[in-house]
Amino acid sequence: DVKVTQSSRYLVKRTGEKVFLECVQDMDHENMFWYRQDPGLGLRLIYFSYDVKMKEKGDIPEGYSVSREKKERFSLILESASTNQTSMYLCASSLPGQGSTEAFFGQGTRLTVV
Amino acid sequence: AQTVTQSQPEMSVQEAETVTLSCTYDTSESNYYLFWYKQPPSRQMILVIRQEAYKQQNATENRFSVNFQKAAKSFSLKISDSQLGDTAMYFCAFFGGADGLTFGKGTHLIIQP
Repeated sequence: DVKVTQSSRYLVKRTGEKVFLECVQDMDHENMFWYRQDPGLGLRLIYFSYDVKMKEKGDIPEGYSVSREKKERFSLILESASTNQTSMYLCASSLPGQGSTEAFFGQGTRLTVV
Repeated sequence: AQTVTQSQPEMSVQEAETVTLSCTYDTSESNYYLFWYKQPPSRQMILVIRQEAYKQQNATENRFSVNFQKAAKSFSLKISDSQLGDTAMYFCAFFGGADGLTFGKGTHLIIQP
């Protein structure tokens, strides 16, 4: 089975802290994605990556950065956490081919910034 | 950039009924893929069904089928013989071009016993 693992299920951080959300997949997928999920807003794409060291901005990249040094790991970084970044964060991965195969998701990280 | 619109924030039906969830999208791409994902209370996103835009035949997976109207940019999901375990958030998603995998806002489907 494909496994996408997010490092934490729940996280509480203070305003101004630098926060790292880690995502690891074990199926050698080229594509990886970070979303945030908020009630009534669905899943909004923050950043995605089609290969190692590549990154593309999604719809809401402001306040976030990413790192992909290894194929299996895609990290989301909140440089200075703010309360409006309190949300559910979902990581996903997929094979290349313009989405011809499904995206597999992690269990999500519920981040609370206080 | 592509957009995905789900106009039904919440739907409720009785067990064993048939329900249709609507989804429309906007894109200038000619080759793309469409998906329906299910997110139960466990939060785990699960692929329900996918459709390649170049295929005219509507995709079907057991009780789940789609009505894909490419010219109208419509991609609805029909669930037949609904079951209590179908209660979940359902998301329509689009993949094509350079904008990654884009989701709609979701429809909360409740199956009543």
